[in-house]
Amino acid sequence: AQTVTQSQPEMSVQEAETVTLSCTYDTSESNYYLFWYKQPPSRQMILVIRQEAYKQQNATENRFSVNFQKAAKSFSLKISDSQLGDTAMYFCAFMKHGNPGNTGKLIFGQGTTLQVKP
Amino acid sequence: EAGVAQSPRYKIIEKRQSVAFWCNPISGHATLYWYQQILGQGPKLLIQFQNNGVVDDSQLPKDRFSAERLKGVDSTLKIQPAKLEDSAVYLCASSFWGSYEQYFGPGTRLTVT
Repeated sequence: AQTVTQSQPEMSVQEAETVTLSCTYDTSESNYYLFWYKQPPSRQMILVIRQEAYKQQNATENRFSVNFQKAAKSFSLKISDSQLGDTAMYFCAFMKHGNPGNTGKLIFGQGTTLQVKP
Repeated sequence: EAGVAQSPRYKIIEKRQSVAFWCNPISGHATLYWYQQILGQGPKLLIQFQNNGVVDDSQLPKDRFSAERLKGVDSTLKIQPAKLEDSAVYLCASSFWGSYEQYFGPGTRLTVT
């Protein structure tokens, strides 16, 4: 069974600074996806960034980037130039890659609440 | 493009009562998911539909929870009878068949007293 662990329940950062959220996972699968989702207060969850396990290059989406260490089973999220709108709960998630139709199960970590301070 | 719709947004019931949640996925999305998110935890998959067929319901407490997607479009999740530990946000998500990207609805916050 796969597990996802986020060891930082809460973090805070000053506006315009950089913050890194940590995530570790455990799996025996060799082909999978990793994701970071953002859940703002009272708003719906949205996908921030994804990483395919077979790709060595770390994914980047504007101010968001990941550090994917496959051997260490580590997947951290770096947010650069933090903005007030980044305040949210962030979830790390795992999805097994396989046949279409049974790949969709997301396994989430416990979440990290990020507060961006002005 | 309209997103995933869910109703109601909030529901308060007493234990042993029944409750139903409704979800309308994004048009064209064949796959629909129901997740349970207990306060302070990450979402947990309850059931996954592919069109109107169940793909995965291994974590659905079948003695009290049921779900259907009769016409392969919208879906209903029911709890009967509710327990205190069912207090949670119930999230619906949808995706194109075989796609990794899931789109989430706003959720239904259930409080069982």
